[in-house]
Amino acid sequence: DAGVTQSPTHLIKTRGQQVTLRCSPKSGHDTVSWYQQALGQGPQFIFQYYEEEERQRGNFPDRFSGHQYPNYSSELNVNALLLGDSALYLCASSPGGFSGANVLTFGAGSRLTVL
Amino acid sequence: DQQVKQNSPSLSVQEGRISILNCDYTNSMFDYFLWYKKYPAEGPTFLISISSIKDKNEDGRFTVFLNKSAKHLSLHIVPSQPGDSAVYFCAASGGNNNDMRFGAGTRLTVKP
Repeated sequence: DAGVTQSPTHLIKTRGQQVTLRCSPKSGHDTVSWYQQALGQGPQFIFQYYEEEERQRGNFPDRFSGHQYPNYSSELNVNALLLGDSALYLCASSPGGFSGANVLTFGAGSRLTVL
Repeated sequence: DQQVKQNSPSLSVQEGRISILNCDYTNSMFDYFLWYKKYPAEGPTFLISISSIKDKNEDGRFTVFLNKSAKHLSLHIVPSQPGDSAVYFCAASGGNNNDMRFGAGTRLTVKP
């Protein structure tokens, strides 16, 4: 049973460019959350998708947007990249809608470097 | 706004001894707490959790203690094994938010 898969694993962009990261949740999970983990920091919540809608959002600017498809897979888009967007982007899935009591299953992440 | 804090960036213990990792939180609305373990090049994996109605939860070698009055939780690993060497994140959720807030992590090294 495949867990959470993310692509690409690594990518390099330049300032001002746009990036799309992809995530397939664990089988049986319908909720996807995205986190940004900067070097030496813990994961920071970006947003959460359930039933193809953004249900909750962390303290991130509108340059960060997302989408969830009917098969529960999800994308994270970041526009007008800044150097400070360099980080590991983690996708996590969970079952049964958004609930703080749900255990998150994480992917290995997509490491974004902005030059 | 760092609501979950892990003040020790690293911890080193000898194999067979106890490892104690600490976590403090500021939001009294948190009612669910979790510990995740992360190996290099892998995503965090769930280790153990505790709800605010309990003060202790045990799973094998791992025990989590919750002190609500102090807004403090700790993870005890007994006995520690070299394979436990990883970064441990404390996380909390609850209140008006269903997202999970993470601490900065503690890197545990268990020496053989």
